[in-house]
Amino acid sequence: DAKTTQPNSMESNEEEPVHLPCNHSTISGTDYIHWYRQLPSQGPEYVIHGLTSNVNNRMASLAIAEDRKSSTLILHRATLRDAAVYYCILRDDTTSGTYKYIFGTGTRLKVLA
Amino acid sequence: EAGVVQSPRYKIIEKKQPVAFWCNPISGHNTLYWYRQNLGQGPELLIRYENEEAVDDSQLPKDRFSAERLKGVDSTLKIQPAELGDSAVYLCASSPRTGERTYEQYFGPGTRLTVT
Repeated sequence: DAKTTQPNSMESNEEEPVHLPCNHSTISGTDYIHWYRQLPSQGPEYVIHGLTSNVNNRMASLAIAEDRKSSTLILHRATLRDAAVYYCILRDDTTSGTYKYIFGTGTRLKVLA
Repeated sequence: EAGVVQSPRYKIIEKKQPVAFWCNPISGHNTLYWYRQNLGQGPELLIRYENEEAVDDSQLPKDRFSAERLKGVDSTLKIQPAELGDSAVYLCASSPRTGERTYEQYFGPGTRLTVT
């Protein structure tokens, strides 16, 4: 299973953009890049996913490098409620895969008022 | 729409005692997952169900852990006997489709188990 590497922690000021990096140099062609976040005392929640093209939704944007060996989750305006642990995960979505998430330790985002 | 429901939220037991966790997934979700999350770590998959069938239990410590999903809806995860190292948060998640690309997993709040 391909692995991801993320910084242990990051800080951001409130209402400023946040760029959370993720390295996945051993990604395979069938791996999708998923991001989840976990707020304190809650289960993880889905943020966004992508394969090759950049993706946008109401929560965030996902920028994927052309060689797919890295990606960046972008929160356009961080709020205090965005303080959480952010997980970057690769998932094999082929029929022979198990749609299995392998979580790493994630990046703990601290948002400063 | 109600989310994934888990109970209890907290459980404290002595080592060697049994314990059970219950999960009610989102209505209509065929796929159900149990994860264990140790302090400071990401969740680790224990078992995945497609309807009633356990399709991936390779990470479940079968000597003391068992799980069931009768009728393909609710699920129970049991530990017997519990050990000190089982202290963790046990998360249940569900996904809406079976056998296809399922992009999102919906997680419950978890059960925090403390074994003393």
